[in-house]
Amino acid sequence: AQKVTQAQTEISVVEKEDVTLDCVYETRDTTYYLFWYKQPPSGELVFLIRRNSFDEQNEISGRYSWNFQKSTSSFNFTITASQVVDSAVYFCALSESLYNFNKFYFGSGTKLNVKP
Amino acid sequence: DAMVIQNPRYQVTQFGKPVTLSCSQTLNHNVMYWYQQKSSQAPKLLFHYYDKDFNNEADTPDNFQSRRPNTSFCFLDIRSPGLGDAAMYLCATSRESAGTTDTQYFGPGTRLTVL
Repeated sequence: AQKVTQAQTEISVVEKEDVTLDCVYETRDTTYYLFWYKQPPSGELVFLIRRNSFDEQNEISGRYSWNFQKSTSSFNFTITASQVVDSAVYFCALSESLYNFNKFYFGSGTKLNVKP
Repeated sequence: DAMVIQNPRYQVTQFGKPVTLSCSQTLNHNVMYWYQQKSSQAPKLLFHYYDKDFNNEADTPDNFQSRRPNTSFCFLDIRSPGLGDAAMYLCATSRESAGTTDTQYFGPGTRLTVL
């Protein structure tokens, strides 16, 4: 069964601090995809990154970086020098390949509060 | 810009009064999804369309129906809304084909209030 665990329910940091959001997943598939989405207070889920199971290279995009480790089934997300605009709920998701679509399994989300 | 659009952004209905939420997309994606998201929870998939094929999740109540008249539009019909149906409803799209996994792109959501 597919499962995504985001153990951190809520994190509060002060602006300019670095923060890491944890994501641990379970799957029996050998090929799978992992995603991170950001949900600001307005409600829209904003796509951040997609990573397939064969690509364990870490990725950096500006202040965002992702650390994918198959050995520990983790796909953690780090924000460097956090800003107030980073305040949002962040969801990690795992896709399961079904017969005609890919079903997403979302974690429960981590609410990030960045204080000025 | 290509995008997923949901109307209205906020919808208020009365207990038991049918309501329809709409979603349109300019991405020309073949799969469209409807999710329900209650406060402080993850999005929950209700159903999806692969082209014109409708696929219901096993635990989606019969009270929820959907229509997809063409590639660009998809509607969520709630036949008799209950207080427990108050939630954010998110529409998403993706371009699926055998052997690939595409990203799901979400609209801004419709927040439904049931009085």
